[in-house]
Amino acid sequence: DAGVIQSPRHEVTEMGQEVTLRCKPISGHDYLFWYRQTMMRGLELLIYFNNNVPIDDSGMPEDRFSAKMPNASFSTLKIQPSEPRDSAVYFCASSLGGQGKETQYFGPGTRLLVL
Amino acid sequence: DAKTTQPPSMDCAEGRAANLPCNHSTISGNEYVYWYRQIHSQGPQYIIHGLKNNETNEMASLIITEDRKSSTLILPHATLRDTAVYYCIVSYPYNFNKFYFGSGTKLNVKP
Repeated sequence: DAGVIQSPRHEVTEMGQEVTLRCKPISGHDYLFWYRQTMMRGLELLIYFNNNVPIDDSGMPEDRFSAKMPNASFSTLKIQPSEPRDSAVYFCASSLGGQGKETQYFGPGTRLLVL
Repeated sequence: DAKTTQPPSMDCAEGRAANLPCNHSTISGNEYVYWYRQIHSQGPQYIIHGLKNNETNEMASLIITEDRKSSTLILPHATLRDTAVYYCIVSYPYNFNKFYFGSGTKLNVKP
């Protein structure tokens, strides 16, 4: 399996622009997670889905952030409008689900820089 | 917020065992101890987890004290590629919104 795939790997944009991050989870995994990592706050869970349904979005910083999972093999995290403080590494992860199968498998991350 | 306490950094000589401690004095009865690591510029990687008994897999061993208030991750023969930040996490399975990575321990494996 190719693992969790994220695109783009790097994104540089200007303040006010819309940013869309994409994730393809491992095939067959029922859970999908979006994390953000910064030096100041470490690794934070933003939102997670189970069977394409958002379960907990309490970590989403504000209304500028939105996430969707239209099908089992694709998810997006959108920031509109972007701000310099959104600069971070955004990780997507997936998990199989089921008894003893909660291990999260992380993608390589998207490094976002908002100027 | 993280329910664990880890030293910020540790050094280990290549080829020697690396023993990474973690304190989790407020752990609840059915909470598991999970270990992940993050090699520079990569996504976190699962290592091992356990509830009460010691666990071993191809990557590491996990030793949990009898009172479950602390644990130690053991890398039996550390290599330079084991240089990473190691996170100890206490959580109920599937309680993902309480799965706090914290600051972790930066393990420096030196030749």
